[in-house]
Amino acid sequence: GQQVMQIPQYQHVQEGEDFTTYCNSSTTLSNIQWYKQRPGGHPVFLIQLVKSGEVKKQKRLTFQFGEAKKNSSLHITATQTTDVGTYFCVRSSGNTGKLIFGQGTTLQVKP
Amino acid sequence: NAGVTQTPKFQVLKTGQSMTLQCAQDMNHNSMYWYRQDPGMGLRLIYYSASEGTTDKGEVPNGYNVSRLNKREFSLRLESAAPSQTSVYFCASSQISNQPQHFGDGTRLSIL
Repeated sequence: GQQVMQIPQYQHVQEGEDFTTYCNSSTTLSNIQWYKQRPGGHPVFLIQLVKSGEVKKQKRLTFQFGEAKKNSSLHITATQTTDVGTYFCVRSSGNTGKLIFGQGTTLQVKP
Repeated sequence: NAGVTQTPKFQVLKTGQSMTLQCAQDMNHNSMYWYRQDPGMGLRLIYYSASEGTTDKGEVPNGYNVSRLNKREFSLRLESAAPSQTSVYFCASSQISNQPQHFGDGTRLSIL
């Protein structure tokens, strides 16, 4: 399966700073899902984007799906220590339901 | 409401031993999945079951077998464990394929 590429791999920010992670695919995506995994925890679903150019917000988190449906981003405004973890963008493979995980972006927040 | 339950949470095996990891979900989901996660990496799909009675290979199926025992339960078996199978194993389920997945807490497996 074709992976989605995520950048950066790691990000350290001071609490209160903003954070953005980017997800890129060489092929058009039918949808993109975002998951968060806390250290020592399991992935937790955050959101699914389906439409070209879609923007969704969850409190301080803003998710975007590119116009060409080949990229996506997650932006966190004014990070908090509770935002620490690894954020994965995930594409689905055809109609099989198989999820292809990106490598993830690990966010560290310094208080 | 437990969601997805995995047992055991931790296990240490010797090379060549066999073991079955258990997974059960109580959300009446049709699709179930097994992943492995190695340090610093994303999750890689081992096997999945789109619906009761069907199973299919994922990205890394070698060395593993699965059984969809019923709609609730999906087990993963290592017939002859190898050190390369040391990993954290996650089970997940979704209402149908392509829908958001709910994950269990994981099984941390070490093979010596």
